[in-house]
Amino acid sequence: DAMVIQNPRYQVTQFGKPVTLSCSQTLNHNVMYWYQQKSSQAPKLLFHYYDKDFNNEADTPDNFQSRRPNTSFCFLDIRSPGLGDAAMYLCATSRDFGESKNIQYFGAGTRLSVL
Amino acid sequence: AQSVTQPDIHITVSEGASLELRCNYSYGATPYLFWYVQSPGQGLQLLLKYFSGDTLVQGIKGFEAEFKRSQSSFNLRKPSVHWSDAAEYFCAVVADSWGKLQFGAGTQVVVTP
Repeated sequence: DAMVIQNPRYQVTQFGKPVTLSCSQTLNHNVMYWYQQKSSQAPKLLFHYYDKDFNNEADTPDNFQSRRPNTSFCFLDIRSPGLGDAAMYLCATSRDFGESKNIQYFGAGTRLSVL
Repeated sequence: AQSVTQPDIHITVSEGASLELRCNYSYGATPYLFWYVQSPGQGLQLLLKYFSGDTLVQGIKGFEAEFKRSQSSFNLRKPSVHWSDAAEYFCAVVADSWGKLQFGAGTQVVVTP
């Protein structure tokens, strides 16, 4: 059974039209992450939540926001998508922080297209 | 800063042949190392991890990896590949004290009949 679930799997939006991607987890993990992965590249961390504490990566554009209303759900909001935001967006979770506790479990991803 | 290098961008291997994917890391202390696999259009699946102990680590799908501190390497191996092993493989290291992952650029594996 899938433990990290991302919806939708494919999302098409228009240039400048806000879009929200969803992630849910059944693992009861404390930490949730959002990554952006462009074609043939490694995943790039955008931000993470430890419980309700939000941590933004220094180079994450302001256009990207996130919400975590409860332990199970986390959302990625792209306020004004540009063509350069077309990518695979991956959600991941880990039980806790700390080098030996940070085994990250990934969802299947949402492929975002911007027209 | 911690870094991970995967020297091979692309590898082609015949079905049934052995496979070895290279990973080199740069890290001051004992590294926590991972190999993930990503099938086309899918998320990342954890193959195996190394935290400490036995330097030869067994993973899922018949993969193993060997940690060699002297060479700063954590190479992934499989004795006999299957067509379903065609995918992108990422090596990763825990890059800071809270556990942020630093990924390598990935190695694309193509399996030919």
